[in-house]
Amino acid sequence: SYELTQPPSVSVSPGQTARITCSGDALPKQYAYWYRQKPGQAPVMVISKDTERPSGIPERFSGSSSGTIVTLTISGVQAEDEADYYCQSADSSGNSLVFGGGTKLTVL
Amino acid sequence: EVQLVESGGGLVQPGGSLRLSCAASGFRFSRYWMSWVRQAPGKGLEWVANIKQDGSHKYYVDSVKGRFTISRDNAKNSLYLQMNSLRAEDTAVYYCARGEDCGGDCYSYYFDYWGQGSLVTVSS
Repeated sequence: SYELTQPPSVSVSPGQTARITCSGDALPKQYAYWYRQKPGQAPVMVISKDTERPSGIPERFSGSSSGTIVTLTISGVQAEDEADYYCQSADSSGNSLVFGGGTKLTVL
Repeated sequence: EVQLVESGGGLVQPGGSLRLSCAASGFRFSRYWMSWVRQAPGKGLEWVANIKQDGSHKYYVDSVKGRFTISRDNAKNSLYLQMNSLRAEDTAVYYCARGEDCGGDCYSYYFDYWGQGSLVTVSS
């Protein structure tokens, strides 16, 4: 079955830039989406279609894509950004939706 | 304001059945794909199933095919998940999530609003 691979954890100091990667063979053909999940809460979409920021999401959140890797970038990280982040996409058939394993962002 | 409220979770024995419901409000329910996504305790997110606006197309993750059935009632603005032959590995918080508002033959690839989830525990 198709898999998306994320690093288990990323740590940054406040004000620095955090980059979380997600790799998958079908990413050149399928858009990626990113979600933030804080403890005990439902996920929230922070990036749509590789690079689009939904309404209400701060400008410090951005997305990029290069081949089989997509990247979520959080500029000027704040303490409130500490959370689990998941990438999500579809397999090459387009009918099966898949999440990455998640990355725990720690703000030091 | 978009709201999705799940109900129907609880404790069930292995091999048993449970039906989850999701009540939607704040948007035109019949225009959107809808999905179920689950999260086992301490684990990541897993897409379970989704359903087209008119219920004509349904898709499932391999691990639940033949055991789970997704359905909807647009007149009641409600989404359902019938879960049969439940296993311990089905234990999770089940989220109802809204997909895309797209017509024709389009498929929904994302989840833009989520409910707060309903916990299903499969244990003897």
